[in-house]
Amino acid sequence: DAGITQSPRHKVTETGTPVTLRCHQTENHRYMYWYRQDPGHGLRLIHYSYGVKDTDKGEVSDGYSVSRSKTEDFLLTLESATSSQTSVYFCAISEQGGEEKLFFGSGTQLSVL
Amino acid sequence: GENVEQHPSTLSVQEGDSAVIKCTYSDSASNYFPWYKQELGKRPQLIIDIRSNVGEKKDQRIAVTLNKTAKHFSLHITETQPEDSAVYFCAASMNTGNQFYFGTGTSLTVIP
Repeated sequence: DAGITQSPRHKVTETGTPVTLRCHQTENHRYMYWYRQDPGHGLRLIHYSYGVKDTDKGEVSDGYSVSRSKTEDFLLTLESATSSQTSVYFCAISEQGGEEKLFFGSGTQLSVL
Repeated sequence: GENVEQHPSTLSVQEGDSAVIKCTYSDSASNYFPWYKQELGKRPQLIIDIRSNVGEKKDQRIAVTLNKTAKHFSLHITETQPEDSAVYFCAASMNTGNQFYFGTGTSLTVIP
């Protein structure tokens, strides 16, 4: 498996609180992605990064922000968590973006009460 | 952007039978098509992929076929076993883009 670590693995928080999820890779891959997975919706892209400080929005980016200050770390922040953001969040990495294999981390189960 | 549709959403087969999952895509520029298997509570794992310059690819009991003209691709699992039970996702991407577009998944159950 690709060297991808997500933290925390589980988190319970309250509506309105800020939450930050971390993705750390040891593969030195250029591309990093954040997806959320919900029943009936498959995997939906939140944000992605194509280099340090280079990020772009995905299809479900509202309410989320990201930062990438180092190649190995990609942070996802929920500025003010809502119950609709209860989901499983997966980080993924790819060496060359759309033309190369995509590998997933183990996921973070986030519950917003 | 690209739109990937996947069918069926659920599939039950008897052990030893074959299973076929089909996906269609909308953007003719897509040229890379991976398939992922996700067991309950686990991460999606890449099981096979195909590029647009190839019509078929096999890896033991798993095969993928691609029809570029019709813009559809399929996953074939032969001699199914209970451990094949999982959710399978197809995806499409293009080498000129940064994103992967996923189908909504097929829940496969292999009945012993």
